Amino acid sequence: GAVVSQHPSRVICKSGTSVKIECRSLDFQATTMFWYRQFPKQSLMLMATSNEGSKATYEQGVEKDKFLINHASLTLSTLTVTSAHPEDSSFYICSARKGLAGGPYQETQYFGPGTRLLVL
Amino acid sequence: DAKTTQPPSMDCAEGRAANLPCNHSTISGNEYVYWYRQIHSQGPQYIIHGLKNNETNEMASLIITEDRKSSTLILPHATLRDTAVYYCIVRVATSGTYKYIFGTGTRLKVLA
Repeated sequence: GAVVSQHPSRVICKSGTSVKIECRSLDFQATTMFWYRQFPKQSLMLMATSNEGSKATYEQGVEKDKFLINHASLTLSTLTVTSAHPEDSSFYICSARKGLAGGPYQETQYFGPGTRLLVL
Repeated sequence: DAKTTQPPSMDCAEGRAANLPCNHSTISGNEYVYWYRQIHSQGPQYIIHGLKNNETNEMASLIITEDRKSSTLILPHATLRDTAVYYCIVRVATSGTYKYIFGTGTRLKVLA
């Protein structure tokens, strides 16, 4: 199997506070994980690529100082939304890359269930 | 920008086959086509992927044209639980790995 979990599943916080979201690959090791954001009725938007033991690579327009990513182990990546504001309210989804025997061309991403963030 | 285009929505009668098309005319020769679906308020679920041969698993079949510029995902006997947004993805190489750029997908509604 290829199971990815996220915690928490939903969180409500006050404006100005920080929120940490965890992403875990439960039955495989993932050197690379990805973080996405999804607003209502829109598609997933890639925020950053998280590599174990190194700095994350952020997509254009994503503030790296606001969305802190740490990938300290082969099974855990965390996303911290710092000084959250109402406009950060969204559905945050992580994925973990699982390599297959066929080589890099067959690597597949498996997604977590998502974390719904509401900033008041 | 996403490297694929899909119709925004489709309806399918329960029990009938659902055929979801995808155009990926700029796909490179060694790149796979991936299909995922997203049921409301959940993370995307992997369905199937393929290179040039037709593929089948317990969830679906994938038909890729000979020129590889388009593909069709087939759900052979759609059920109400198959109602979801279906995404066709061709990865983009970046910094030693591959990333997914999601398009708008096809919203499939299975009707009773």
